[in-house]
Amino acid sequence: DGGITQSPKYLFRKEGQNVTLSCEQNLNHDAMYWYRQDPGQGLRLIYYSQIVNDFQKGDIAEGYSVSREKKESFPLTVTSAQKNPTAFYLCASSQWDTSNQPQHFGDGTRLSIL
Amino acid sequence: AQSVTQLDSHVSVSEGTPVLLRCNYSSSYSPSLFWYVQHPNKGLQLLLKYTSAATLVKGINGFEAEFKKSETSFHLTKPSAHMSDAAEYFCVVNYYGGSQGNLIFGKGTKLSVKP
Repeated sequence: DGGITQSPKYLFRKEGQNVTLSCEQNLNHDAMYWYRQDPGQGLRLIYYSQIVNDFQKGDIAEGYSVSREKKESFPLTVTSAQKNPTAFYLCASSQWDTSNQPQHFGDGTRLSIL
Repeated sequence: AQSVTQLDSHVSVSEGTPVLLRCNYSSSYSPSLFWYVQHPNKGLQLLLKYTSAATLVKGINGFEAEFKKSETSFHLTKPSAHMSDAAEYFCVVNYYGGSQGNLIFGKGTKLSVKP
């Protein structure tokens, strides 16, 4: 079945450590997105990529980095500069990055501080 | 700034009774509007979308929403709630067209369904 796979499901970060969240899609979608979800809030956009080898900052990019070397993959690194990383992270994709395209979401990675 | 407001953070209904989840958006000449559902520890799933075609939009699982420009509303309804409808629902708006980097998510409405 086509879809988006996020791994790991749970992740723990130590002080001063960078961690990388994986996101892979087999939907042949051009556009991919990373969101952060905190309790009682909507989703906030971290980074997005409209096409391979290109990405743009979202509303809360500070302390995060991404790469888009392959169409299927859009990994997110949470760096030590992100002082409050505890959250639920969601990856999504859409066929193209246009306003009427629905997004397809993975099942998320929950990141906590050790 | 443009915004989207989900008027209730929590709605509780009995199984078999109607569901109404309210969403208001800031005025814009042609927004794209979506409703998504999220079950615990899962990603979001698209229920329905409005993109300036018919104002009454039918979605999956018996849900529908009506775009009312005069009221700047896009409320989600279902005639009869089922236990499996218990989840969190998000109203999402794109005011500016173009990139989905412009999407604005509401804060969510948690729906509880009592037996």
